[in-house]
Amino acid sequence: EAGVAQSPRYKIIEKRQSVAFWCNPISGHATLYWYQQILGQGPKLLIQFQNNGVVDDSQLPKDRFSAERLKGVDSTLKIQPAKLEDSAVYLCASSLAGLAGGPKTQYFGPGTRLLVL
Amino acid sequence: AQSVTQLDSHVSVSEGTPVLLRCNYSSSYSPSLFWYVQHPNKGLQLLLKYTSAATLVKGINGFEAEFKKSETSFHLTKPSAHMSDAAEYFCVVSGWGGKIIFGKGTRLHILP
Repeated sequence: EAGVAQSPRYKIIEKRQSVAFWCNPISGHATLYWYQQILGQGPKLLIQFQNNGVVDDSQLPKDRFSAERLKGVDSTLKIQPAKLEDSAVYLCASSLAGLAGGPKTQYFGPGTRLLVL
Repeated sequence: AQSVTQLDSHVSVSEGTPVLLRCNYSSSYSPSLFWYVQHPNKGLQLLLKYTSAATLVKGINGFEAEFKKSETSFHLTKPSAHMSDAAEYFCVVSGWGGKIIFGKGTRLHILP
């Protein structure tokens, strides 16, 4: 079974530039998550999708971050414009439908390491 | 409201000795609790999860955790540490339909 795919693996940009990350979840997983992991900290949930609908985006900085999952499969996360403090690893995870019956196991991709100069 | 606290940012043990990584949680609902491991330059991997079944949960690689409601704890243990266990470990809490919250992590060092 293929795992969660993410690209690119690494990205270096200058502040005020824009950047986009892509995630392809495990086939059949209805729930998709984007996390931000700053060095030395635990992952912080940015946004959670159930199919193509947003379940939770309470910690997404909506003035600069956006995410979409138009067809309920793969997803993109965009930052525009980037700030120095956005330097982090951006993790994508997927799971089977996580609402009814409680949280399901999340499967994580390798992450995209972003450095903002 | 939910929260999770990992009580140690770093733990060092000698190879072959027991491992204890501590996690306390707070949740308004009966929580689901998870432990994930992150090896350097690798993705997060599920070690084990508690979802209101047996309070003693066995995971991969010889790890286990015990859910103690009275102490609001979910500590991770392993009887005998191996060098390959050196990694970052995250305790995660999630309530019914609630937020998913990761702890800050505990880095486990294994001494030869």
